[in-house]
Amino acid sequence: GQQLNQSPQSMFIQEGEDVSMNCTSSSIFNTWLWYKQDPGEGPVLLIALYKAGELTSNGRLTAQFGITRKDSFLNISASIPSDVGIYFCAGRPLIKFYFGSGTKLNVKP
Amino acid sequence: EAGVAQSPRYKIIEKRQSVAFWCNPISGHATLYWYQQILGQGPKLLIQFQNNGVVDDSQLPKDRFSAERLKGVDSTLKIQPAKLEDSAVYLCASSLDKLTSSSYNSPLHFGNGTRLTVT
Repeated sequence: GQQLNQSPQSMFIQEGEDVSMNCTSSSIFNTWLWYKQDPGEGPVLLIALYKAGELTSNGRLTAQFGITRKDSFLNISASIPSDVGIYFCAGRPLIKFYFGSGTKLNVKP
Repeated sequence: EAGVAQSPRYKIIEKRQSVAFWCNPISGHATLYWYQQILGQGPKLLIQFQNNGVVDDSQLPKDRFSAERLKGVDSTLKIQPAKLEDSAVYLCASSLDKLTSSSYNSPLHFGNGTRLTVT
């Protein structure tokens, strides 16, 4: 089946620092999505990307659809304590979505 | 707009018992998904519906899992009989995507899930 590699698995950062995480796939995707999941909640959509090279921002979050269409990146600038959670990438080659295993973000005040 | 509604939020059952989960998608969303999320992992697709038809159920353990979306709106997922390894969060999601479209460019919107514990 489709493989999505998400890295890093976890991060421990200081409040105010910038964060980067990425996902790579074994085949070309036509959509990349980024989600945040808090404990006991469902994933919440952060950013959706539909074109190779697309760069989209949502507040302090910026995500990019890689030009090879096999990767995507999420950056968080000036992290704050409420950024704590698990971030998932999701992508699809056509109809079916595949999810990464998540990046657990810890922010020290 | 109202989000994806799921019930119950929590369920504890013994192995070999049966359980059912319910989902009501966002109004107007043609596509409905059931995902299984095991602790520490990303969601894994169990079944995908387009209106009341199944698009993909290749990862659904059909000997014990079943799902239906009879009127193309809400959906139920059933497990019978449950096993210990079925302990997970069952997430429902919906999207606007329609198979009649030439492209699929609608994101998934998730409910808060049902946490199942099988003892």
